[in-house]
Amino acid sequence: KNEVEQSPQNLTAQEGEFITINCSYSVGISALHWLQQHPGGGIVSLFMLSSGKKKHGRLIATINIQEKHSSLHITASHPRDSAVYICAVRGGSSNTGKLIFGQGTTLQVKP
Amino acid sequence: NAGVMQNPRHLVRRRGQEARLRCSPMKGHSHVYWYRQLPEEGLKFMVYLQKENIIDESGMPKERFSAEFPKEGPSILRIQQVVRGDSAAYFCASSLGSVLRVDTQYFGPGTRLTVL
Repeated sequence: KNEVEQSPQNLTAQEGEFITINCSYSVGISALHWLQQHPGGGIVSLFMLSSGKKKHGRLIATINIQEKHSSLHITASHPRDSAVYICAVRGGSSNTGKLIFGQGTTLQVKP
Repeated sequence: NAGVMQNPRHLVRRRGQEARLRCSPMKGHSHVYWYRQLPEEGLKFMVYLQKENIIDESGMPKERFSAEFPKEGPSILRIQQVVRGDSAAYFCASSLGSVLRVDTQYFGPGTRLTVL
């Protein structure tokens, strides 16, 4: 079993829909990252969380440390949101900062 | 302030050749991470370096792969005697602070290595 699991693996939505991507992890962490990877491959860091909730534009990320779970929400989705969304954790006992990645969620938003 | 730079963006090598991938971190960043994304697979950690030091190389294959981050110049990921299984996207990320702080890692655009 992977240390970081994402669901769903693939997601298709209509423009305007509210989208949720989930991430569960099995290790102790010091931080959790949400990343976005577009076709063509560049990776952008969306959020880094260690507790609570963060919001940036139409994106919201939450984390529940006790339940070892995080969610990424996209409100009023748009075709330009189509990308792979990746959850990554930094181990709590690790002092090296290396990230452990989920397999990614491929999102397609149709107009 | 330029972001993380990687070059080349695409690299084609024949089996047995050497591949050198370069990463220039963001200005002021002294921590560099290398990650590999194999086709149809997720990202995997390879190595973490600070200037002139390898801090964690637990994700590096035992043979043919090496990395350095010299006092001056970019970080280099070197793959000797490449094989087809080395074909992947190699991403570099950099961060600012010490291991005692949790920092955002900023990713470069990646180098796509194809081994013929």
